[in-house]
Amino acid sequence: DIVMTQSPDSLAVSLGERATVNCKSSQSVLYSSDNKNYLAWYQQKPGQPPKLLIYWASTRDSGVPDRFSGSGSGTDFTLTISSLQAEDVAVYYCQQYCSTPYTFGQGTKLEI
Amino acid sequence: QAQLVESGGGLVKPGESLRLSCAASGFTFSDLYMTWIRQAPGKGLEWVSYISNSGTSISYADSVKGRFTISRDNTKNSLYLQMNSLRAEDTAVYYCVRGHWAYHIWGQGTMVTVSS
Repeated sequence: DIVMTQSPDSLAVSLGERATVNCKSSQSVLYSSDNKNYLAWYQQKPGQPPKLLIYWASTRDSGVPDRFSGSGSGTDFTLTISSLQAEDVAVYYCQQYCSTPYTFGQGTKLEI
Repeated sequence: QAQLVESGGGLVKPGESLRLSCAASGFTFSDLYMTWIRQAPGKGLEWVSYISNSGTSISYADSVKGRFTISRDNTKNSLYLQMNSLRAEDTAVYYCVRGHWAYHIWGQGTMVTVSS
């Protein structure tokens, strides 16, 4: 199984500042046949299902504000929120969908 | 717009069975893979199973293999999860999710509690 490890487990950032969440996979999630990274990022607020933010490591889902961006390749990935807003307080998860079982990171709790 | 509504959760004893359902609307259900994901109380997300649009390709997490069965009825736009031999560690919110890679559409989830 591919193990996804996020860092840090929790993060406190001031409003308007940059927030960075890291995700490392135990094996590469870059699929050589299409040169795509099978990596997604989700945001989950209390009492709600997760919401997809980023897929293919760097493609924003429809309607996701452009302050959210994803980067990285192979085994190391980053979710960046360029200017933190109050509504961004949530838990963030990375997920690989390169090989089953499709695994998630343990989550990073983002606070203000 | 696309919507998924789960039902069938509840409180059961260890060893008992439960069948979850997911009603899909707002998209062509028969064109898409579907997935179940669960989240234990206060914990992270765990992928459980997916099924292809035709039902011919299925995959399970090792933690549920041999106990859970995923199925679908494309004539009813419905996804199912038959859960047998339930254990305390199966206690979780179960989400029905559209797709089998990155998950754009999630249901609100249904709670399954396994306790004596």
